[in-house]
Amino acid sequence: GAVVSQHPSWVICKSGTSVKIECRSLDFQATTMFWYRQFPKQSLMLMATSNEGSKATYEQGVEKDKFLINHASLTLSTLTVTSAHPEDSSFYICSAKNDRGNTEAFFGQGTRLTVV
Amino acid sequence: AQKVTQAQTEISVVEKEDVTLDCVYETRDTTYYLFWYKQPPSGELVFLIRRNSFDEQNEISGRYSWNFQKSTSSFNFTITASQVVDSAVYFCALSEDYRGSTLGRLYFGRGTQLTVWP
Repeated sequence: GAVVSQHPSWVICKSGTSVKIECRSLDFQATTMFWYRQFPKQSLMLMATSNEGSKATYEQGVEKDKFLINHASLTLSTLTVTSAHPEDSSFYICSAKNDRGNTEAFFGQGTRLTVV
Repeated sequence: AQKVTQAQTEISVVEKEDVTLDCVYETRDTTYYLFWYKQPPSGELVFLIRRNSFDEQNEISGRYSWNFQKSTSSFNFTITASQVVDSAVYFCALSEDYRGSTLGRLYFGRGTQLTVWP
């Protein structure tokens, strides 16, 4: 149990295009999901907290219009990187918090985004 | 202010050596959780341990052991008889109270790159 699936695992896109990353909780419901970003040889930094049925909460310095988050169901949150640029190339990883009980958030496999 | 500090950026050891990865945290909450994750080159985060703030008992799991000391706000991780497969980046993380419930967002340290040579 407690599986979080993130798709795609890696993606290469052209500068100026948009990329959508999906985060699904496969066997539990998650009202809250978290999106992190990790630059090479750096730590994981929280970008935003995704809440089902309401707007995401973004961390300071993260552009809301560039990183669109949609949490339309209790098992799916999406992160869309709009008008991607090479500096957006990074490792993006999500985590989902099980609604039932006080358990930790479970991580997806991560998505490696390369913008060329 | 950094909530989780991993002062060791890189550590190299030879197989079979013991190695300790340091983690110091900072929080004002009385209830919190500490974690260690392993991140191999593929990128996924492999959960190793979770420890709540009320449980200071040390834990051992095979070659892995953890020493939690609230007095020094430290949660150190020791690998005994290291192996080449232990080579990875190891992250220490802290979860504070979030909307009345801990185990929400995580604050990560910068990670320690461990390289075990044959």
